[in-house]
Amino acid sequence: QKEVEQDPGPLSVPEGAIVSLNCTYSNSAFQYFMWYRQYSRKGPELLMYTYSSGNKEDGRFTAQVDKSSKYISLFIRDSQPSDSATYLCAMEGGSEKLVFGKGTKLTVNP
Amino acid sequence: DADVTQTPRNRITKTGKRIMLECSQTKGHDRMYWYRQDPGLGLQLIYYSFDVKDINKGEISDGYSVSRQAQAKFSLSLESAIPNQTALYFCATSEGYGQETQYFGPGTRLLVL
Repeated sequence: QKEVEQDPGPLSVPEGAIVSLNCTYSNSAFQYFMWYRQYSRKGPELLMYTYSSGNKEDGRFTAQVDKSSKYISLFIRDSQPSDSATYLCAMEGGSEKLVFGKGTKLTVNP
Repeated sequence: DADVTQTPRNRITKTGKRIMLECSQTKGHDRMYWYRQDPGLGLQLIYYSFDVKDINKGEISDGYSVSRQAQAKFSLSLESAIPNQTALYFCATSEGYGQETQYFGPGTRLLVL
């Protein structure tokens, strides 16, 4: 079992839809959770960072962590064509190295 | 100006050639990382450095070497390039010490013929 599993998609939604992106993990030592957004031919950029279980909201984005289920989610409300990108989850648990999911490619259609 | 820069942005080389990819950062971070990204495989860690004197191998270090010339500079070398090293290469930095977020450069697209 890989440490971090992420459905690669692709995921295609209409503009305005609510998008749910998810990752599961197996290492209970993970305590830092991040979501990165990567546009085509660009480097990943940090979107959300959470430390504990629960929800964290930033504008149209909500990151959710459920440590008991080893499951994290990123919700995008009122999705826009500019949200079209690949979304990578990442986690860290004491090794000071991030473990990344393989990314989910999202397309938001006008 | 970008906090993490990479040169070159694109490179085409031939099998057997030695090439160097360079990374510079102005964030003042001690920790620097080199990743490669292949379609369907995600980001794979090649080497990482927690300070100038601390360099460590990542998951896929074979065929690569690194040099940390200063806190702000971390170079990746392919001693004898082979076609399966064709990939997108990213440099990243982090503050560490509980601040584990990594900040990425724009990437170098490498094609080995």
